[in-house]
Amino acid sequence: GAGVSQSPSNKVTEKGKDVELRCDPISGHTALYWYRQSLGQGLEFLIYFQGNSAPDKSGLPSDRFSAERTGGSVSTLTIQRTQQEDSAVYLCASSLTYTGSQYFGPGTRLLVL
Amino acid sequence: AQSVTQPDIHITVSEGASLELRCNYSYGATPYLFWYVQSPGQGLQLLLKYFSGDTLVQGIKGFEAEFKRSQSSFNLRKPSVHWSDAAEYFCAVGDNNAGNMLTFGGGTRLMVKP
Repeated sequence: GAGVSQSPSNKVTEKGKDVELRCDPISGHTALYWYRQSLGQGLEFLIYFQGNSAPDKSGLPSDRFSAERTGGSVSTLTIQRTQQEDSAVYLCASSLTYTGSQYFGPGTRLLVL
Repeated sequence: AQSVTQPDIHITVSEGASLELRCNYSYGATPYLFWYVQSPGQGLQLLLKYFSGDTLVQGIKGFEAEFKRSQSSFNLRKPSVHWSDAAEYFCAVGDNNAGNMLTFGGGTRLMVKP
């Protein structure tokens, strides 16, 4: 079946602009996660959604970062007023339940100039 | 807070040789443990996982890992490496009290010599 998909695959933006990154999880998966992979920080957890519960935002690095999940499926990660240190690969993962294995999408590579 | 250490940043092995990638974790309870592989420009692919039960777990592509509670380790092994195994490998621990969010090690880059 179809895996996790993310769009765009690459995004180049100018410092100060807002960006939106999209994640389509595996159909039927109730849990959705966002991670960031950068050279300096490695792989970091950002935010987690489980069903209709309030998201766990404990990993978001600043209030410029936000995410939503509509209808329990597609999720959008928004970064406002981008900074150069936001340059990274943003990875989305989903799992059948919050105790299950996480399956990752191919990522969105963000470059902030 | 949980943490994961992968002591080897780079490892080079000859094709056909055996492989062991080390992983040590810190977690207060029985952990959920994972190994993922990432090829250049790709996302993370799950190799295997440990939740409970048998401490030796089998995964895809001929990989296995052994959970040793006394050593807080979850080392990944393969008896005979293929050139296509060259990639970066990440060990992770899931916080089963917090939605299973993953904490990753820094990764080990594997190179395979012909």
